[in-house]
Amino acid sequence: DGGITQSPKYLFRKEGQNVTLSCEQNLNHDAMYWYRQDPGQGLRLIYYSQIVNDFQKGDIAEGYSVSREKKESFPLTVTSAQKNPTAFYLCASSMHGGTNTEAFFGQGTRLTVV
Amino acid sequence: GENVEQHPSTLSVQEGDSAVIKCTYSDSASNYFPWYKQELGKRPQLIIDIRSNVGEKKDQRIAVTLNKTAKHFSLHITETQPEDSAVYFCAPSGTGAGSYQLTFGKGTKLSVIP
Repeated sequence: DGGITQSPKYLFRKEGQNVTLSCEQNLNHDAMYWYRQDPGQGLRLIYYSQIVNDFQKGDIAEGYSVSREKKESFPLTVTSAQKNPTAFYLCASSMHGGTNTEAFFGQGTRLTVV
Repeated sequence: GENVEQHPSTLSVQEGDSAVIKCTYSDSASNYFPWYKQELGKRPQLIIDIRSNVGEKKDQRIAVTLNKTAKHFSLHITETQPEDSAVYFCAPSGTGAGSYQLTFGKGTKLSVIP
């Protein structure tokens, strides 16, 4: 079953803790993206990666970090420096970096800070 | 990256009426114009797209029209049904500078009233 998978679906974190969200794809896509979605809001870009071992900051990268050691995987770490981390996080991939190709999304991870 | 604006931000229509959502972009090099639908609590999914060599594309009750000169494209939904209620996003992209930063519009929440 091909696609893009995020885990876990729900995540609770205590204040001051780092937490890592998983994103895996078996679509052989080069590009991967992380978005944050707040209630009633749009999709804000956190980080994106066009190829393995390379990634770029998006519009709201502060307090987040990523790695791209494998083509299939693009984990996102929400650090304690992120002031307001409670949100719905979506991972996406596309065949090439943003150009002319459909983006496929994971089912999302809902992070709550308790 | 691309500067993308969507209007309106919310739209309510009676069942059976038509709905139109407009997306304006800034990068004249953009050549791929998709629309995504996100139902409540779910992931965004592509519903229709158009490329710059075409002015209009239809798929049953939905259509997309493109005006490259004015740098905007629109989503048209005819004979709306309650299941069309969702948030719709545009995400123009191309091969220009910054095209790898896949940027979405802020979304339009469509409510179809039975």
